[in-house]
Amino acid sequence: AAGVIQSPRHLIKEKRETATLKCYPIPRHDTVYWYQQGPGQDPQFLISFYEKMQSDKGSIPDRFSAQQFSDYHSELNMSSLELGDSALYFCASSMGQGYYGYTFGSGTRLTVV
Amino acid sequence: AQSVTQLDSHVSVSEGTPVLLRCNYSSSYSPSLFWYVQHPNKGLQLLLKYTSAATLVKGINGFEAEFKKSETSFHLTKPSAHMSDAAEYFCVVNSLQGAQKLVFGQGTRLTINP
Repeated sequence: AAGVIQSPRHLIKEKRETATLKCYPIPRHDTVYWYQQGPGQDPQFLISFYEKMQSDKGSIPDRFSAQQFSDYHSELNMSSLELGDSALYFCASSMGQGYYGYTFGSGTRLTVV
Repeated sequence: AQSVTQLDSHVSVSEGTPVLLRCNYSSSYSPSLFWYVQHPNKGLQLLLKYTSAATLVKGINGFEAEFKKSETSFHLTKPSAHMSDAAEYFCVVNSLQGAQKLVFGQGTRLTINP
């Protein structure tokens, strides 16, 4: 069965650079969520989109932006990267509000050096 | 608002013995509750979910969880631990009438001793 696809799997950037993370949801899923998981931490909600509109916003820095495109894939853009941005970034998708569950991607591991 | 508290940050059991991972939740609305497992350097895998149907939920790999509204709990159990169960476990809540996001507990690291 198709899963949530995230790319790239690993990314190394220098401080003050820009990074773009991509997420391709399961077909027919219209909601996408982004989470950030620091080392030894539980995932923290960043932002979500439903039907290409932002539906909720969590602890996402102003340096980050995201959008959902017409094919429902989403991109997380991160600028002026800081060392503290090093983390595992998960994308999840669901149908509507996720009554039937959420499926997570394998994550993108971002390392800022 | 909703929140989740996992009562143990680390649980250690012997192989073949029962597993109990505790989770309490708080939600202003009828919650959906989930348990996810994360193996080292891996993504999050759904073990089971409660969505206001049967209170005893059976998941994959022999795991079960019981929703107890009176105790606001959703503890995860397994009768007999296997070495491959060693991982981080997250209890997660979502409000059916709230914001479209999941709220994670702090995680419980399960260690299995031979």
